[in-house]
Amino acid sequence: GQSLEQPSEVTAVEGAIVQINCTYQTSGFYGLSWYQQHDGGAPTFLSYNGLDGLEETGRFSSFLSRSDSYGYLLLQELQMKDSASYFCAVRDWDDKIIFGKGTRLHILP
Amino acid sequence: DVKVTQSSRYLVKRTGEKVFLECVQDMDHENMFWYRQDPGLGLRLIYFSYDVKMKEKGDIPEGYSVSREKKERFSLILESASTNQTSMYLCASSPEPPGWETQYFGPGTRLLVL
Repeated sequence: GQSLEQPSEVTAVEGAIVQINCTYQTSGFYGLSWYQQHDGGAPTFLSYNGLDGLEETGRFSSFLSRSDSYGYLLLQELQMKDSASYFCAVRDWDDKIIFGKGTRLHILP
Repeated sequence: DVKVTQSSRYLVKRTGEKVFLECVQDMDHENMFWYRQDPGLGLRLIYFSYDVKMKEKGDIPEGYSVSREKKERFSLILESASTNQTSMYLCASSPEPPGWETQYFGPGTRLLVL
């Protein structure tokens, strides 16, 4: 079956850098997306990698390597407001969207 | 501003009732999606639609049906609610490529089935 694996929790310190990994097993997909969800809120789109390599959007960057079946989200200059759950997602060749189970990011002051 | 609204934030229903969850988007998006979110399981796709009157099954369609009579509205129907359908339900929409991968989510409906 198709699946995306993420760590369930990650802890980092305010001001630091953290990387959230996403490894996947799919028959084929168009690209890798990342979403952020605060407690009680709806997921919001962060970034998308259609091609291999690094995409940068402000403090957030995302990376994809299809040959390694691997991607990651990099958050720099962590702020307390970045405490949230982060989900990776792919759209497969059947146009289904598959989400990982999410990584809960805890930030320590 | 992009907006997806859902008919209720909280809903309590009894086992066996027919439940309607409505989702409306004002972005003229072609694609709409219904997910359920459960702790430890992430978001799971129930149904999606890429055009009016079109629907496609997601990963967990059993016990659910959908209706898309107008482009802006996508309804999720629980034909006979069961306790294992207690969950957070999230609706989303996205434009045609190249924007397909950007999904805009509604606030969610937390459904409790007793």
